[in-house]
Amino acid sequence: RKEVEQDPGPFNVPEGATVAFNCTYSNSASQSFFWYRQDCRKEPKLLMSVYSSGNEDGRFTAQLNRASQYISLLIRDSKLSDSATYLCVVNIGGATNKLIFGTGTLLAVQP
Amino acid sequence: DVKVTQSSRYLVKRTGEKVFLECVQDMDHENMFWYRQDPGLGLRLIYFSYDVKMKEKGDIPEGYSVSREKKERFSLILESASTNQTSMYLCASIRDRGYNEQFFGPGTRLTVL
Repeated sequence: RKEVEQDPGPFNVPEGATVAFNCTYSNSASQSFFWYRQDCRKEPKLLMSVYSSGNEDGRFTAQLNRASQYISLLIRDSKLSDSATYLCVVNIGGATNKLIFGTGTLLAVQP
Repeated sequence: DVKVTQSSRYLVKRTGEKVFLECVQDMDHENMFWYRQDPGLGLRLIYFSYDVKMKEKGDIPEGYSVSREKKERFSLILESASTNQTSMYLCASIRDRGYNEQFFGPGTRLTVL
């Protein structure tokens, strides 16, 4: 079983749609959680951290369910510029700040 | 703005060649990482370093070595390149172990013929 699992997609949605991505992680000792965004042929960049209480940044909402070892990202009112691969990332803690990356979910927002 | 730079965006090498990939960060970060990214496999950690002259193996260190002689520079070395090392290589840095955001370089797409 992969340490971080995501649906690879692609998710093809029209502009203005709401889309949700899910991610599960296997290590119950994982300490912190993130969503990164990666545009085609570019490097990953941090989109947002994910907190137990849930957090929102504009049109983006992230949720964490530690009991189910599950993370989600909700994008409201999708824009063409949201088209990218979204990487679920887990920090397993310990001394090294090692991040475990999911393989990513591809989102294509269409006009 | 944190900046992580990599020596080449695209590189083509032949099987058996020694390959050096260089990464430099300008924000005095302690921890640096080398990943490779392949379709369907995501980012996989090759090596990391949390201080000058320190290095730790990641998940897939075989066929690679690293060097960190200066804090700002972390080099990945392929001693004898093979075709299965054709990949996108990404370098990242993080301020220290108390921080979480990794800043990535633009990547080097290496093709081994």
